[in-house]
Amino acid sequence: DTAVSQTPKYLVTQMGNDKSIKCEQNLGHDTMYWYKQDSKKFLKIMFSYNNKELIINETVPNRFSPKSPDKAHLNLHINSLELGDSAVYFCASSPKSYREAFFGQGTRLTVV
Amino acid sequence: TQLLEQSPQFLSIQEGENLTVYCNSSSVFSSLQWYRQEPGEGPVLLVTVVTGGEVKKLKRLTFQFGDARKDSSLHITAAQPGDTGLYLCAASNFGNEKLTFGTGTRLTIIP
Repeated sequence: DTAVSQTPKYLVTQMGNDKSIKCEQNLGHDTMYWYKQDSKKFLKIMFSYNNKELIINETVPNRFSPKSPDKAHLNLHINSLELGDSAVYFCASSPKSYREAFFGQGTRLTVV
Repeated sequence: TQLLEQSPQFLSIQEGENLTVYCNSSSVFSSLQWYRQEPGEGPVLLVTVVTGGEVKKLKRLTFQFGDARKDSSLHITAAQPGDTGLYLCAASNFGNEKLTFGTGTRLTIIP
C-alpha cells in the first residue's frame, strides 16, 4: 500500500490554465504539507495543515489554494498558471507537526 | 528565517571511499533529520537526531548532531553506487510547525 500518494505524477499545461493536484495519505497522520522543489532541488514548504486546518502559508501567491476535505486528503489547486510555477510539487504527511515527514512521489508540473 | 547550509553541494567519489557531508546553521534546533532522495522520487527519511552530541548509525551511515544542536554531519563508510542520491537535512523547533530543508548535497558514487 502506498503511504502518501499524489496524482498526477506528470502535468503539462499551458499558461493561464487552472489545474489541481490531489494527495491522500493512509498513515493516519494529523499533519499534511505541500512542498515545492525547484530546478536546483531546493525544497520549500508552501502550506501545512493540521487536522484539516491551515497552519502555515508561506508567502505563496493566492493563485495557489489548498483544500483539505478531511485529514487524509490535501489537494492543491492552482489558478492562472505561470511559467514560473514549473517545478516538482511534493505532498507529505507527519504524525505530528514538526516531526518526520513522509513524502509522496511528486508531481512534475510543466507550464508551457 | 532558519537557513540550513549543506556542504559540499556536489560530491563525486569512487566506490569504496569514505565521505562526510555537513549541514550547518546559526539557529538551534530541537530535532534534525536526514533524508535521501532518488531521481523521480520523494525524499525518504533516514534518521532523526534530537539530543546534542547524539550519534546514530544505520549500517555504513553514521549521523551526528552537534553539541549545540546547530549542525549535523553524515559520514558514509565504503561508499557504494547504491548510495548515490540527493541528501537533504531538515530541522524543526518545538512550537514552530515548519520543517525547514537544507540546500542539499548531490552524491555520486562511481563504480
